[in-house]
Amino acid sequence: LAKTTQPISMDSYEGQEVNITCSHNNIATNDYITWYQQFPSQGPRFIIQGYKTKVTNEVASLFIPADRKSSTLSLPRVSLSDTAVYYCLVGPSGGYNKLIFGAGTRLAVHP
Amino acid sequence: GAVVSQHPSWVICKSGTSVKIECRSLDFQATTMFWYRQFPKQSLMLMATSNEGSKATYEQGVEKDKFLINHASLTLSTLTVTSAHPEDSSFYICSARDTTGAAEETQYFGPGTRLLVL
Repeated sequence: LAKTTQPISMDSYEGQEVNITCSHNNIATNDYITWYQQFPSQGPRFIIQGYKTKVTNEVASLFIPADRKSSTLSLPRVSLSDTAVYYCLVGPSGGYNKLIFGAGTRLAVHP
Repeated sequence: GAVVSQHPSWVICKSGTSVKIECRSLDFQATTMFWYRQFPKQSLMLMATSNEGSKATYEQGVEKDKFLINHASLTLSTLTVTSAHPEDSSFYICSARDTTGAAEETQYFGPGTRLLVL
């Protein structure tokens, strides 16, 4: 399974756009990139998944360059409730296999 | 998305006792479930893969005799922490794999169980 590297923490303010970048230099051809969000004392929650280029859903966008060695999760206009830990995971399609979590990025959104 | 529940949500026990945690997939069948442990301010650590009708597969360093896993049905996996000690105090999270859906999110997480061993 490809190893991922993310910033340990980030700070932002309400209403700003937040971009969290994840490095995965050893990503395999059949690997997808998946992002999860976790609030304290809760299980992780799926945010978005992509393979290449750009994916957008109602909560976030995922940008993946052509070489796929990194990806960026973009959260538009964050609010205080977006304060959480965000995990980037790389592996074969759609969670069919075991998920190995890295350290994640602790995002703090301030008023 | 699909729902995964855990019971109990929190438990306090005395050192030396055993504790059972249940993980249920409420609206889908899960032939495979996963158990994670998470210490404060740390990431999730995969403990084992639970397979319906067969033995669980444990990650390196996880004692299979200490953490007993039973996956007797397509909707229920249990994790029993045997002879619990204070160092077993942690947040235990399960996830279940939906093998029937075509959705990208085919692994769903439970809300977690907080275990405190006194």
